[in-house]
Amino acid sequence: TQLLEQSPQFLSIQEGENLTVYCNSSSVFSSLQWYRQEPGEGPVLLVTVVTGGEVKKLKRLTFQFGDARKDSSLHITAAQPGDTGLYLCAGFKAAGNKLTFGGGTRVLVKP
Amino acid sequence: DAGITQSPRHKVTETGTPVTLRCHQTENHRYMYWYRQDPGHGLRLIHYSYGVKDTDKGEVSDGYSVSRSKTEDFLLTLESATSSQTSVYFCAGGTDTQYFGPGTRLTVL
Repeated sequence: TQLLEQSPQFLSIQEGENLTVYCNSSSVFSSLQWYRQEPGEGPVLLVTVVTGGEVKKLKRLTFQFGDARKDSSLHITAAQPGDTGLYLCAGFKAAGNKLTFGGGTRVLVKP
Repeated sequence: DAGITQSPRHKVTETGTPVTLRCHQTENHRYMYWYRQDPGHGLRLIHYSYGVKDTDKGEVSDGYSVSRSKTEDFLLTLESATSSQTSVYFCAGGTDTQYFGPGTRLTVL
């Protein structure tokens, strides 16, 4: 059973469209992280959100942490083919210094 | 992060054989982790280390052991490989922010 549920599992859109990926949990985390992974490589950190209600922007990517620090979303505006990849959310709990990962959302942006 | 390397990058082995995967870091991370990645499961923690010779189990530790004799190196051993251990294995270092190696694709026939 996944402690972090990501939805959808797969998303295929046309270039220029918007998309949102959701990450939900029944647990409270110290922080919530989003990683992006390309084929044949390890995940790379995109952003960390720490405060409930926090919103962070990274160019066309907007990340939001829920008020209760249990859920998060990633919104991409005007998606580009370069946004194609596997997006992973991960919750960090300071006790034990461990990350719990969601199942991932595979995003395909077609030109 | 170029500071974490894994070897081998690809391996094919037979059921019942022992396999050791190596992770080497140059970033002086105290914490290091081994994950496996399977479709639909994201990354699942196998074992982790919080210092030299200090290790603990993750959520999917059965059939795996680890060793850390020095800060730079973290080894993952499959004592007797099974087909269910066919997966992509990632090593990572860090704490609240983790930096991942490029992965090892292991196939157990």
